[in-house]
Amino acid sequence: DQQVKQNSPSLSVQEGRISILNCDYTNSMFDYFLWYKKYPAEGPTFLISISSIKDKNEDGRFTVFLNKSAKHLSLHIVPSQPGDSAVYFCAASLSGGYQKVTFGTGTKLQVIP
Amino acid sequence: DTAVSQTPKYLVTQMGNDKSIKCEQNLGHDTMYWYKQDSKKFLKIMFSYNNKELIINETVPNRFSPKSPDKAHLNLHINSLELGDSAVYFCASSHQTGPNTGELFFGEGSRLTVL
Repeated sequence: DQQVKQNSPSLSVQEGRISILNCDYTNSMFDYFLWYKKYPAEGPTFLISISSIKDKNEDGRFTVFLNKSAKHLSLHIVPSQPGDSAVYFCAASLSGGYQKVTFGTGTKLQVIP
Repeated sequence: DTAVSQTPKYLVTQMGNDKSIKCEQNLGHDTMYWYKQDSKKFLKIMFSYNNKELIINETVPNRFSPKSPDKAHLNLHINSLELGDSAVYFCASSHQTGPNTGELFFGEGSRLTVL
């Protein structure tokens, strides 16, 4: 049972425009959400996160929005740059106890120059 | 200096063989993990150790045996390799103190191909 879902396997965006990556989750107990970025032949790297007590977190060009009632989060990248081309993984975890992070299947973003 | 390093990066072997993948982290973290990314790109946790103690053990065949000699190292040994074991295996570490943030630091991955 996949508790974190990214239904778009790929996305293409023009340089300078906004990229919006979406993620849905099914486990209402999740209370911390993260985005990871992965380049080919490298491991995922942490990008941005949000606690369930917030609905928005911003870090430079990256903003994550959380809609708890819809069990949905999204990552906005503005403006998109060619170097942002990568696979983006949505992830979720439960606070308390040990960090068992559940990942989605990823969305491959291509930013076209 | 690489924070989380895995060896080997590539491993090609025959069915039925036994192989090991090693992982070391120099971040001073107290928790380490093994994740498996299969052909469908699904990144799934296998094991987690905290200060050499096994804390997460997902439904993984007992042919897979993790070993943590100290908190900076977590090795993965696989017996009697099967075709379905072909995947990329990622080691990761995290700092356990404080609130659970889920921020993991990953190695570059070890691509295992079983022929």
